This record gives sequence, structure tokens and C-alpha cells, in this order.
Amino acid sequence: QQQVKQSPQSLIVQKGGISIINCAYENTAFDYFPWYQQFPGKGPALLIAIRPDVSEKKEGRFTISFNKSAKQFSLHIMDSQPGDSATYFCAASGEGGSTLGRLYFGRGTQLTVWP
Amino acid sequence: DVKVTQSSRYLVKRTGEKVFLECVQDMDHENMFWYRQDPGLGLRLIYFSYDVKMKEKGDIPEGYSVSREKKERFSLILESASTNQTSMYLCASSLLPGASYNEQFFGPGTRLTVL
Repeated sequence: QQQVKQSPQSLIVQKGGISIINCAYENTAFDYFPWYQQFPGKGPALLIAIRPDVSEKKEGRFTISFNKSAKQFSLHIMDSQPGDSATYFCAASGEGGSTLGRLYFGRGTQLTVWP
Repeated sequence: DVKVTQSSRYLVKRTGEKVFLECVQDMDHENMFWYRQDPGLGLRLIYFSYDVKMKEKGDIPEGYSVSREKKERFSLILESASTNQTSMYLCASSLLPGASYNEQFFGPGTRLTVL
């Protein structure tokens, strides 16, 4: 079954608006939650990541909000720009031999920011 | 700069052919991964390897095999290509097995078409 569920599948936002992408997980052993950004023709690249000991992490216009009790986390892009148009993947990982450092990815959100 | 390179950007093969996809990383990473990316399905893990000559099945290993004879090189093999294996294939690497806080570095992808 899918370990990380991501929504929405696609998102259209006006320039200057806020983009919000949500993810949920079930496995309480997960302790690392990164977001990857993928531009057309490129491989995904790490954008920002959070560990469950904090509820929020901000890097520039990008913020992860994390709700441990609800097992949910979200990416907020403030003042969205056309250059942010990309596919965004949430992911989760847990330490230990059973996962061996693999990431479990959501299905992705295609973000389009209109000028 | 971490660099993950894939042998081809585009590949066209016939049904039943044996196909080799090559991936090389130059950062002395322990972990290497093969994913396929399909619209609406996100990134699905095919196989990964946490050491030379070691391999672990991912979520969709059927129809694929892998080889890791050297630390820097990880090959994906389609023994008998089928049309349902038409997809974008992405290779990634990360530093340490068993650690969850591992950034994965992706190659640019190989778009494989099986006719």
C-alpha cells in the first residue's frame, strides 16, 4: 500500500499567491520528511526537509509544517513565482535496517504558477 | 558537486530485447537506487543497493534485475523488454545505508520507449 499520500495531484496558483501541498503517512517509525522539487527534463532535487522534533521549518519562501499527532505534513510556498512551477514530491524515511535509507515518495503535485 | 550520470537520455528498444541502463555516481556513496516515474504514479522504487554486490527489491521489481559490481556503478537490466516498461527511469545515490537523514541525489533520467 502507499506509505505516503500526497494531495492535490495538480495545483494552479496566481503569481504572488500561496501554494499548499499536503502529505499524510501511517508509519510512526518515519523520522525524516523531505520535499523534492523536479523541473521538466531534470531529476528531482532536495528542496527542504524536517525531522519530527520540530513543528515547522522555514527556508526562504518555503515552509514545512509538521503535525506529528495527525501524521501529516505540508509544504507552503509563499509569494509563489512562475519559476516555482515544477513537480513537488513529499517523502518519508525511517532509520534502521528495515528501510536501509530508502525514501517512500508521494505521487507528486504538479504546480503551475501563472504570471 | 555531486554528480549522478545516466548512460542515455533517450532510448528506443523493441519488445523482447535485453536492455541495460547504466548509472554512475562520483561521490563515493554507499546507497544507489533505481526508480521509474510515470504520470500520476510518482516515483516507484524498483531496486536499491546499499553495498557492492548487494541488492534489495523495491516496490516493483518484477521484470527487472540489477547489478552492482563496483561501488560507483549501478545497472538496471530489463531481461526481455515489454511495452509496459515504457517509462522514465531515474537513478539516485545517497551516502549511508541505514540512516534516514540521507539526501538522495538524482540523475537526469532515461526515457525508455519499448515498441
